[in-house]
Amino acid sequence: EAGVTQSPTHLIKTRGQQVTLRCSPISGHTSVYWYQQALGLGLQFLLWYDEGEERNRGNFPPRFSGRQFPNYSSELNVNALELEDSALYLCASSLAPAGLTDTQYFGPGTRLTVL
Amino acid sequence: KNQVEQSPQSLIILEGKNCTLQCNYTVSPFSNLRWYKQDTGRGPVSLTIMTFSENTKSNGRYTATLDADTKQSSLHITASQLSDSASYICVVIRSGGYNKLIFGAGTRLAVHP
Repeated sequence: EAGVTQSPTHLIKTRGQQVTLRCSPISGHTSVYWYQQALGLGLQFLLWYDEGEERNRGNFPPRFSGRQFPNYSSELNVNALELEDSALYLCASSLAPAGLTDTQYFGPGTRLTVL
Repeated sequence: KNQVEQSPQSLIILEGKNCTLQCNYTVSPFSNLRWYKQDTGRGPVSLTIMTFSENTKSNGRYTATLDADTKQSSLHITASQLSDSASYICVVIRSGGYNKLIFGAGTRLAVHP
């Protein structure tokens, strides 16, 4: 069974540009989560999608947005990139909303560098 | 305020030794607590999930404990191996409405030969 996949693996952008990151969850998983992990810091929760709807949002500005498609894949969009947006962006999926025992499975991440 | 604090921030041990990582939380209402292992540059991998009623759960050489009264959890690694070098992240799930995951900053473990 394929795990969570993310694309691209690496990305270099300049300040002010826009970027779109993609995530495909494990087959059958309906919940997708996005996290930002800046160098040397812990995971920061960005967004949670379930059944095509945004369920929860972390403490990030509106230029971070996303969506979930009918096939449960997801995109994370970041507009007006800033230097501090440089980080590893991780996507995770779970069979159902991260409730009592549902495990989140993480993808390998997309390394974004903003110059 | 819902917080998860982990200690120590970093730890160096010799191969074969045991170690214990700590996680204290103030999250309420509590649903469950998870420990993840994250190798450098890779996504975290789940080690254990513990609910309110569980005190101890093992996964190979990893044993997690939970004291819901004191809101403390620990992850004990037995007979450490070089491959245990990673960040260990404690995550507490807050229940009520849409569940919310609250991450600790992690403990960076380095196992030396």
